[in-house]
Amino acid sequence: TQLLEQSPQFLSIQEGENLTVYCNSSSVFSSLQWYRQEPGEGPVLLVTVVTGGEVKKLKRLTFQFGDARKDSSLHITAAQPGDTGLYLCAGNTGTASKLTFGTGTRLQVTL
Amino acid sequence: DTGVSQDPRHKITKRGQNVTFRCDPISEHNRLYWYRQTLGQGPEFLTYFQNEAQLEKSRLLSNRFSAERPKGSFSTLEIQRTEQGDSAMYLCASSFGQGWNTIYFGEGSWLTVV
Repeated sequence: TQLLEQSPQFLSIQEGENLTVYCNSSSVFSSLQWYRQEPGEGPVLLVTVVTGGEVKKLKRLTFQFGDARKDSSLHITAAQPGDTGLYLCAGNTGTASKLTFGTGTRLQVTL
Repeated sequence: DTGVSQDPRHKITKRGQNVTFRCDPISEHNRLYWYRQTLGQGPEFLTYFQNEAQLEKSRLLSNRFSAERPKGSFSTLEIQRTEQGDSAMYLCASSFGQGWNTIYFGEGSWLTVV
């Protein structure tokens, strides 16, 4: 069983703070995706990373894929209340795009 | 809206009843996936189709669950003789092409079994 562990599970911070969410596994993934999900809604894709060591920036969000393609991180700079939500990493190991999801990090950003 | 659409968004049913969910994938996406998500957990894979062929089923998919994609476009997920443990959000997703590709999720169908 491939497991993706995310840390921290919960994070409550004030607007303007920086934060990093980690996604770790003992398995190698051919690609890894990050999603944000709001209550009662489906996950919304933020980014896909495919190359070991790859770094992608999306405005205030920076995503990194580990060199060995077993781990990833999401860094948010100057968090805003609109960043509040459940952040999920999801890895793919095969050719069928079937994803194994992480345990999730619930982020709350307050004013 | 050209995203993945699911219907109904919410369903409350009595234990023992059958329910059916429908998913319309993004146009021309040949792959369609069903996932289940319970409160506080990440989504778990249930099954996927490539065109009309159901290529993989998780062991989470008991024999009370059946999914179809008869014409390779929309899909249905039926749960027979629902149990309280079936209460969850059922997510549909789709992707295009062969090999791995980014998959896009619908908004989900919330099932509550009372």
